[in-house]
Amino acid sequence: NAGVTQTPKFQVLKTGQSMTLQCAQDMNHNSMYWYRQDPGMGLRLIYYSASEGTTDKGEVPNGYNVSRLNKREFSLRLESAAPSQTSVYFCASSVGWEAPNTGELFFGEGSRLTVL
Amino acid sequence: AQTVTQSQPEMSVQEAETVTLSCTYDTSESDYYLFWYKQPPSRQMILVIRQEAYKQQNATENRFSVNFQKAAKSFSLKISDSQLGDAAMYFCAYRSAMNRDDKIIFGKGTRLHILP
Repeated sequence: NAGVTQTPKFQVLKTGQSMTLQCAQDMNHNSMYWYRQDPGMGLRLIYYSASEGTTDKGEVPNGYNVSRLNKREFSLRLESAAPSQTSVYFCASSVGWEAPNTGELFFGEGSRLTVL
Repeated sequence: AQTVTQSQPEMSVQEAETVTLSCTYDTSESDYYLFWYKQPPSRQMILVIRQEAYKQQNATENRFSVNFQKAAKSFSLKISDSQLGDAAMYFCAYRSAMNRDDKIIFGKGTRLHILP
């Protein structure tokens, strides 16, 4: 059981380059999330999707776009990377509202992104 | 908007002793979930314990228990008989149970050191 899979695990970009972080879950979850983790800042919510076809801004959405391609996949795109976007990115999923749910998040292993 | 505050960036405890990690939150909602997650050096996120706001009884999971004070908006984690494997970052998280957007936010975390 793969759970939540995110790719790539590591990426180095130059300022201004674009890239997409991919995330897929095989647990038939409705809700998916993208967080970034920085030292001393904890986990900050970038975007989330409570169901296929919907996306919502989190705490730090500027500089990012997302796509909920289908129920399984939720991608995060950096259109023009900046050094301030150097971080570890986590994708997560949750059962969602359409089933008995206690809100537990299931996380991917994280993607370390460095922008030079 | 909801916020989660962890006021202790780092804590240390002697092995076999008891330690309490603090978390406060701000919300205008009456129904929600609260969580503690553990992140060891492997970077994997692990659910430690959850609490439903409508339940007055404090949640307990083996050596882990919470002190949930709804009126004070406080949700502390007590770890009894601390073990070396408890060394990790601990994050407090909040999830609304009153609307369907399924947003989940985290505090900045507390790094726990276990002294042998």
